[in-house]
Amino acid sequence: EAQVTQNPRYLITVTGKKLTVTCSQNMNHEYMSWYRQDPGLGLRQIYYSMNVEVTDKGDVPEGYKVSRKEKRNFPLILESPSPNQTSLYFCASSFSADTQYFGPGTRLTVL
Amino acid sequence: GENVEQHPSTLSVQEGDSAVIKCTYSDSASNYFPWYKQELGKGPQLIIDIRSNVGEKKDQRIAVTLNKTAKHFSLHITETQPEDSAVYFCAAWEADMRFGAGTRLTVKP
Repeated sequence: EAQVTQNPRYLITVTGKKLTVTCSQNMNHEYMSWYRQDPGLGLRQIYYSMNVEVTDKGDVPEGYKVSRKEKRNFPLILESPSPNQTSLYFCASSFSADTQYFGPGTRLTVL
Repeated sequence: GENVEQHPSTLSVQEGDSAVIKCTYSDSASNYFPWYKQELGKGPQLIIDIRSNVGEKKDQRIAVTLNKTAKHFSLHITETQPEDSAVYFCAAWEADMRFGAGTRLTVKP
């Protein structure tokens, strides 16, 4: 089944404790992206990647890192999480960056 | 950069009625306009999309219209059913994807 998977689906952590949210797609898509979703703000792009070893900042990149070492995986790294990063996170992938397919989401709470 | 505004933020209709959600965009270079449906606890799912060379597209009970001159596009759902209840997002694409803030649609049985 063609899909985007994310892990973990739920995470509660404390300020400053490094964490990684994994994202994997099995559709051989070149484009992958991370979004955060907050009430009343819709989806805002954090980082995106057009291909392996190519990443770029989106609208809200501060406090996040990403890597794209292989085509199928695009992990999101929070080196020192803060409470304002409490949010719902979505990974997405696409052949051509416009028609995007989303993962199920990761709900992160930073205490 | 692109700015997408979506209205209304909430919409409640009776089962069988039609629902219309409207979006406006600011960048005339935007050329792709998808609509996503997000059910509780799930990721956004693409339900219909339209490109700038087309004025209208229909898929069963769902249709999207695009007015490039006025820079707005709309989602139309006819014969609504309770399972249509969800949050709907519009988006506009030029060099990147910009999303509207979402519309919570409730279909009352």
